[in-house]
Amino acid sequence: AQTVTQSQPEMSVQEAETVTLSCTYDTSESDYYLFWYKQPPSRQMILVIRQEAYKQQNATENRFSVNFQKAAKSFSLKISDSQLGDAAMYFCAYRHSGAGSYQLTFGKGTKLSVIP
Amino acid sequence: NAGVTQTPKFQVLKTGQSMTLQCAQDMNHEYMSWYRQDPGMGLRLIHYSVGAGITDQGEVPNGYNVSRSTTEDFPLRLLSAAPSQTSVYFCASSYSDLGYEQYFGPGTRLTVT
Repeated sequence: AQTVTQSQPEMSVQEAETVTLSCTYDTSESDYYLFWYKQPPSRQMILVIRQEAYKQQNATENRFSVNFQKAAKSFSLKISDSQLGDAAMYFCAYRHSGAGSYQLTFGKGTKLSVIP
Repeated sequence: NAGVTQTPKFQVLKTGQSMTLQCAQDMNHEYMSWYRQDPGMGLRLIHYSVGAGITDQGEVPNGYNVSRSTTEDFPLRLLSAAPSQTSVYFCASSYSDLGYEQYFGPGTRLTVT
């Protein structure tokens, strides 16, 4: 079974600075998807960024980027120019590719605080 | 589009009571699922459906029942509520199973006393 580990239960960053959230995963599959979801206090789950395992290029979405190291099974999220609105729980998630592979496996989350 | 909607937002039950959490989506998504989120945990899959009339169990299915009679609706039934089912429940839907984004509802906070 796949597992997703987020080793940092809490992190903080100064406004306008850069922070990196860590995620490692365990799988025997070669083709899969990785996601970062943001959950603000409103509780809504919001997709931040997605990475296909077959793509070597790291995904980027505005201030959010990932460092995907397939051999090391590592998938970290970098937030640049941190803003107060970035304060939230962040969840890393894994999903095997292929028909019928539907389940998202989540890590336990990292609570990010942004200091003004 | 309203996206994924869930009702109610909050619910308190007594042990042994039954209830149904409602979930609906208006995006014509084939795939729908239910997750629960407990403190210090990520989301865990309860049940999922790959289309009307087709459902299957996820990681933590015990004590829950689902059915999918239409593409739009995917209700979750608690048959006999237990304190261990106190949690936040999320419904999600997606276009397909090929890595497409899952769209989540706003969640239902359930407390069982």
